Amino acid sequence: DAGVIQSPRHEVTEMGQEVTLRCKPISGHDYLFWYRQTMMRGLELLIYFNNNVPIDDSGMPEDRFSAKMPNASFSTLKIQPSEPRDSAVYFCASSVQGNNQPQHFGDGTRLSIL
Amino acid sequence: TQLLEQSPQFLSIQEGENLTVYCNSSSVFSSLQWYRQEPGEGPVLLVTVVTGGEVKKLKRLTFQFGDARKDSSLHITAAQPGDTGLYLCAGRRNTGGFKTIFGAGTRLFVKA
Repeated sequence: DAGVIQSPRHEVTEMGQEVTLRCKPISGHDYLFWYRQTMMRGLELLIYFNNNVPIDDSGMPEDRFSAKMPNASFSTLKIQPSEPRDSAVYFCASSVQGNNQPQHFGDGTRLSIL
Repeated sequence: TQLLEQSPQFLSIQEGENLTVYCNSSSVFSSLQWYRQEPGEGPVLLVTVVTGGEVKKLKRLTFQFGDARKDSSLHITAAQPGDTGLYLCAGRRNTGGFKTIFGAGTRLFVKA
């Protein structure tokens, strides 16, 4: 079975540019999470969706960040305009309902803003 | 401020040694999970503990949830180079919905 698929794997762009990260969750999973990982701050939850509806976006750092989930098989995280401090590895994860269910992570997008 | 404090942050040991990694908090968690992450990949779940005092074993790995459900430990017996990776604890609180809080991780390096 295919796991969580993220694209692109790597993105290098100049500050001020718009960046769009994409995620395809595991089929049948009704929760989708976006995380950001840095050496300084570790793994931080940005936002999560349940049945395509955003539930908690309190981790989204600024208005420059936005996330959408137009359907059950696709989500995007957009940064506009991007800044060098946004450089990090961004992970998408999905899971099924249940407090003890695992989150299945994609391999991440390594984002570098110059 | 990390709600889940992991220690040590970094550990480098020889193959065959034993080690323990700790995950501590002042908050009570309804469940706690341990993940392992390898370079260039996302974290992968190792175990979930939900009951205070619970002990789970996964081959050479032993996981324990504190009686008060505020802390956890991971003990590895006879570490092998394949155990090298970043170990993350992650907790959910009863009042947090489905939100998971991750610790900063313990980076383990096992030398052959």
